[in-house]
Amino acid sequence: QQQVKQSPQSLIVQKGGISIINCAYENTAFDYFPWYQQFPGKGPALLIAIRPDVSEKKEGRFTISFNKSAKQFSLHIMDSQPGDSATYFCAARGSSNTGKLIFGQGTTLQVKP
Amino acid sequence: EPEVTQTPSHQVTQMGQEVILRCVPISNHLYFYWYRQILGQKVEFLVSFYNNEISEKSEIFDDQFSVERPDGSNFTLKIRSTKLEDSAMYFCASTSTGELFFGEGSRLTVL
Repeated sequence: QQQVKQSPQSLIVQKGGISIINCAYENTAFDYFPWYQQFPGKGPALLIAIRPDVSEKKEGRFTISFNKSAKQFSLHIMDSQPGDSATYFCAARGSSNTGKLIFGQGTTLQVKP
Repeated sequence: EPEVTQTPSHQVTQMGQEVILRCVPISNHLYFYWYRQILGQKVEFLVSFYNNEISEKSEIFDDQFSVERPDGSNFTLKIRSTKLEDSAMYFCASTSTGELFFGEGSRLTVL
């Protein structure tokens, strides 16, 4: 119940295309869903986040779509660029008041020029 | 821009040795965390720390692990007797508002 399942494991997209990464969760007590971007040798960096009372959030080329009834959320990267090549993790925060994040397995995105 | 800093960036140690990983969280943050990432795998929660005590720990965080905030700025993770399977990247994170800021990590290699 504490898991967050992420797919696909890897993704190759042409420059200018749309990258879509999906996540699913079971625990309805999760109240915050961030996406992190990680470059090799670096720590995860917050990209965009959403709360369950909103169905979509857009920041620049990055959009989170959130489906509360299906317990799914996804990251869309519009006009994907080679600089977007990185590993992306979805995560969820539980209601334990400790702020603990549970991460998905990660998606390695490669954007080909 | 304030950031979480971690030292060392890479440590190589022999199995059975003690290791201390150090972190300086962002100065006005109150919640501190350690996560670990085995090569090629997901980021896993180890422990959260608030008000000078552990607030939550995972099943990974057994008696070999301990955390401490020895002064007003540092936050340390100690592994008492390292095992081969402790080889991983260890990330420190901190927050005040819920958004976690991660350091760049300490790579631990246990031989």
